[in-house]
Amino acid sequence: LAKTTQPISMDSYEGQEVNITCSHNNIATNDYITWYQQFPSQGPRFIIQGYKTKVTNEVASLFIPADRKSSTLSLPRVSLSDTAVYYCLVGEGNTPLVFGKGTRLSVIA
Amino acid sequence: GAGVSQSPSNKVTEKGKDVELRCDPISGHTALYWYRQSLGQGLEFLIYFQGNSAPDKSGLPSDRFSAERTGGSVSTLTIQRTQQEDSAVYLCASSRSGTSGGLRETQYFGPGTRLLVL
Repeated sequence: LAKTTQPISMDSYEGQEVNITCSHNNIATNDYITWYQQFPSQGPRFIIQGYKTKVTNEVASLFIPADRKSSTLSLPRVSLSDTAVYYCLVGEGNTPLVFGKGTRLSVIA
Repeated sequence: GAGVSQSPSNKVTEKGKDVELRCDPISGHTALYWYRQSLGQGLEFLIYFQGNSAPDKSGLPSDRFSAERTGGSVSTLTIQRTQQEDSAVYLCASSRSGTSGGLRETQYFGPGTRLLVL
């Protein structure tokens, strides 16, 4: 399973765009990149998934360069309710999700 | 329909006692996963079910841990002779089929059971 590395924590003010970058140097050809969000006292929640280039949904955008050795989750105009831990995961199919410690995002008013 | 539910939401037990944790997946989801999250840590995979069978038990930390799933629905995680290091939040997730090939299926998580072993 590809290992991921992401910053332990980030701070941002409300209304700013937040970019969280994840490194996955040994990503395999069949691996997808998936991001989950976890609020305190809740289970993780799927945010976005991609294989290459750019993916956008109503919550976030995911940018993946051509070599796929990293990915960047972009949250536009964050609010206080976006304060959470964000996990980057790499893998394929129904292999178990391997969660690292994630990035703890704190949004400040 | 309803999401993944887990019970109890909180469990306090004494060291050496057995505990059972229950997970009700989303109706129709054939894949079910158990994870454990210790304080301030990421999630640790425990076991995965496809229907009633468990093709991957690699994450179970010791033989005190076991899990079963009946009727392709409800799953029970049992911890025998609990130890203080078993204290954690136990999370259950389900996905539609678990056999989507390359594309990762979205896993839907329950709220977890907070286990405290005194």
